[in-house]
Amino acid sequence: QKEVEQDPGPLSVPEGAIVSLNCTYSNSAFQYFMWYRQYSRKGPELLMYTYSSGNKEDGRFTAQVDKSSKYISLFIRDSQPSDSATYLCAMSVSTGRRALTFGSGTRLQVQP
Amino acid sequence: KAGVTQTPRYLIKTRGQQVTLSCSPISGHRSVSWYQQTPGQGLQFLFEYFSETQRNKGNFPGRFSGRQFSNSRSEMNVSTLELGDSALYLCASSSGTSGEGETQYFGPGTRLLVL
Repeated sequence: QKEVEQDPGPLSVPEGAIVSLNCTYSNSAFQYFMWYRQYSRKGPELLMYTYSSGNKEDGRFTAQVDKSSKYISLFIRDSQPSDSATYLCAMSVSTGRRALTFGSGTRLQVQP
Repeated sequence: KAGVTQTPRYLIKTRGQQVTLSCSPISGHRSVSWYQQTPGQGLQFLFEYFSETQRNKGNFPGRFSGRQFSNSRSEMNVSTLELGDSALYLCASSSGTSGEGETQYFGPGTRLLVL
């Protein structure tokens, strides 16, 4: 069993929809939780990070962490075609948020 | 500020050969991490270097090695290539210091095909 599980999708939604992306994990030592976005033929780029249970909002993106359930989510409001990409959750046990353990990624397609 | 650069971008090798990939971090960054991305296993951490020393290591065989130079540039080497080593190899740099401000910035990757 992988330490981090993520639904691979693909997920197809109409423009303007609310998107929910989820990951579960088994290692309770994970302290930092991140979401990366990866466009085709590009390296991942960091969208959000958090280290505590609860919600963190940044524009149209909200990251949610539930450490008791070992479950994290990323919500995208008012999704745009430019949001079409693969979304990767990542976690770290180190205080420096390095040596990341990634989920397998969810491919999102936002239809105009 | 220039981003993380990786060379070469594409590479074709045959089984048994060895390969060296290069990564130049963002100016001022002292930490360089390497990841392997495959369709089957996803993104997996290989190792991290900070100030020319390996600081963290993932679960990969000894055929995978790396080093970092005094200017923070890093190379990774894979010896005795296997077909399963075909992957996108990503380099990420960060300041290397712990704390809220640390973020890993990824390069575009080197796509390696082993025939």
